[in-house]
Amino acid sequence: GENVEQHPSTLSVQEGDSAVIKCTYSDSASNYFPWYKQELGKRPQLIIDIRSNVGEKKDQRIAVTLNKTAKHFSLHITETQPEDSAVYFCAASRDSGNTPLVFGKGTRLSVIA
Amino acid sequence: KAGVTQTPRYLIKTRGQQVTLSCSPISGHRSVSWYQQTPGQGLQFLFEYFSETQRNKGNFPGRFSGRQFSNSRSEMNVSTLELGDSALYLCASTRGQGEQYFGPGTRLTVT
Repeated sequence: GENVEQHPSTLSVQEGDSAVIKCTYSDSASNYFPWYKQELGKRPQLIIDIRSNVGEKKDQRIAVTLNKTAKHFSLHITETQPEDSAVYFCAASRDSGNTPLVFGKGTRLSVIA
Repeated sequence: KAGVTQTPRYLIKTRGQQVTLSCSPISGHRSVSWYQQTPGQGLQFLFEYFSETQRNKGNFPGRFSGRQFSNSRSEMNVSTLELGDSALYLCASTRGQGEQYFGPGTRLTVT
């Protein structure tokens, strides 16, 4: 089955700096890669996702890149703000809808003002 | 559209008891997945239901079970509760193409 590794487990950055979180996956058939943000005491929220037919996707200050050959994908947050502080989870699945999402163990991002 | 809802939000149970949690998906979503979230373990997949059938199952003991009704609402049941079952239980509903939307979760405490 799929296995997703996520690094680092904790990350502290100064406000305005960039943050990068990396994930690797094991199932070469996986083709759907979402990222979730979970603030303290709240539900995980889908913030961006990418499918294997594209290499990069951007949404304002957030971008995700995918390297299918190396089986890794990354979340990039630019110009970080204190409200970006949260736990971020990556996940992977086959996009058939018939396989479950497998999540990484999360990265706790702290943005220091 | 209303989001995913879960009831109850908080629950305290004693070891050996059983518990039933409920999840109502976003209208039109036919798939519901359940996850257990504990500190340090992230989100561990329990099972997924689609059109009242269990489509996928995670690596949890048989004490964890679920079902889905014809209106797509889902329940999960945990029997013979153990202290280690204390966790946040999240459900997520899915429209096509894999995008999952989570409910607020049920925080279960077993004493």
